[in-house]
Amino acid sequence: RKEVEQDPGPFNVPEGATVAFNCTYSNSASQSFFWYRQDCRKEPKLLMSVYSSGNEDGRFTAQLNRASQYISLLIRDSKLSDSATYLCVVRLDRGSTLGRLYFGRGTQLTVWP
Amino acid sequence: GAVVSQHPSRVICKSGTSVKIECRSLDFQATTMFWYRQFPKQSLMLMATSNEGSKATYEQGVEKDKFLINHASLTLSTLTVTSAHPEDSSFYICSARGLAGGLPYNEQFFGPGTRLTVL
Repeated sequence: RKEVEQDPGPFNVPEGATVAFNCTYSNSASQSFFWYRQDCRKEPKLLMSVYSSGNEDGRFTAQLNRASQYISLLIRDSKLSDSATYLCVVRLDRGSTLGRLYFGRGTQLTVWP
Repeated sequence: GAVVSQHPSRVICKSGTSVKIECRSLDFQATTMFWYRQFPKQSLMLMATSNEGSKATYEQGVEKDKFLINHASLTLSTLTVTSAHPEDSSFYICSARGLAGGLPYNEQFFGPGTRLTVL
């Protein structure tokens, strides 16, 4: 079983739409959670960390449910520039895997005018 | 701050040749560097973890004799793909983690990646 599972999409939405991505992780010892954004043929870039209480950064809202081992990302008022692949990432911060990141395969988003 | 560079950004080579990819932390000391590989429409897969001055730790299924990693200084790690074959064609990305200059502990900073095509 993969450490991180994501629906690969693609999600095709019009400008201004609200879109949500989900992700599940298998290791209950996971301690840190992130959403990264990856543009075509580029390296992944940190979009935001995900905290248990939920957190918001402008049009982006991230939620974490530790009991269900579930992470979500909500994008409101989608812009053309939001088109990218969104990677769900977890990190184990203990033992031999200290600091190691586990990436989901990503969810592809295309925002059309 | 926290910039990581990779060189080359793109390489095309013939089957059987060896290719060296460099990963540099430009403004911090990287105690640990990670090497990833990403095939089209797939997730980043960790190949190996490299701590400065010691041997790299390879993930299961990654041949250490084929993918040679050297991390001789706190700002440079190299990945050499030996006797490359077409199936080694992929996007190779490094990341670096450091404990200097107030950087967040455990955060990885990614290089821009190297696209390898083996003919």
